[in-house]
Amino acid sequence: ELKVEQNPLFLSMQEGKNYTIYCNYSTTSDRLYWYRQDPGKSLESLFVLLSNGAVKQEGRLMASLDTKARLSTLHITAAVHDLSATYFCAVDRVTQGGSEKLVFGKGTKLTVNP
Amino acid sequence: GAGVSQSPRYKVAKRGQDVALRCDPISGHVSLFWYQQALGQGPEFLTYFQNEAQLDKSGLPSDRFFAERPEGSVSTLKIQRTQQEDSAVYLCASSSWTDQNSPLHFGNGTRLTVT
Repeated sequence: ELKVEQNPLFLSMQEGKNYTIYCNYSTTSDRLYWYRQDPGKSLESLFVLLSNGAVKQEGRLMASLDTKARLSTLHITAAVHDLSATYFCAVDRVTQGGSEKLVFGKGTKLTVNP
Repeated sequence: GAGVSQSPRYKVAKRGQDVALRCDPISGHVSLFWYQQALGQGPEFLTYFQNEAQLDKSGLPSDRFFAERPEGSVSTLKIQRTQQEDSAVYLCASSSWTDQNSPLHFGNGTRLTVT
């Protein structure tokens, strides 16, 4: 069974600081996603990572994937208040029958303080 | 529209009532998913469609939950005899099967409250 674990679950940081969120998953996967969710809102796609060693960056966020370690990281550089949200890691598995299932972690609630 | 559309946005049901939640995916998207998100939790998989075929319904919590996508476009999630534990946000997502780099696009969800 595919399981996804994120840590930390809660993160409070000061503006200007750097931090990393970790995502571990239990079995081989086909794709890894990072999503952002603001309170009361839906999920916004941040990154799709397909292959080992993949690294993608958008603004102050950078995501990487190590498929051998079954680990993805979301690195935050020089945090600003607008980054406050819940960040979810999700892992995709496609079966031989063509069925697809995206399994989410519990999320990391990030609060950036001035 | 350009995104995934869900209706209603909010639904209040009395325990025991039946509800139907609608999802209109992005045009041309083959894959459609339903997720359930409880307060403060991550989304939990309910079911997956590829066109009109329901390929995985392993996440449906009971036989009171039923989903369909008869023409491979709009989908409906039906919950019969609602219970308080069904209260959650129900998210629909769609994706392009052919584009490996395409994420799942989520709708704004239907917040169901069972009283």
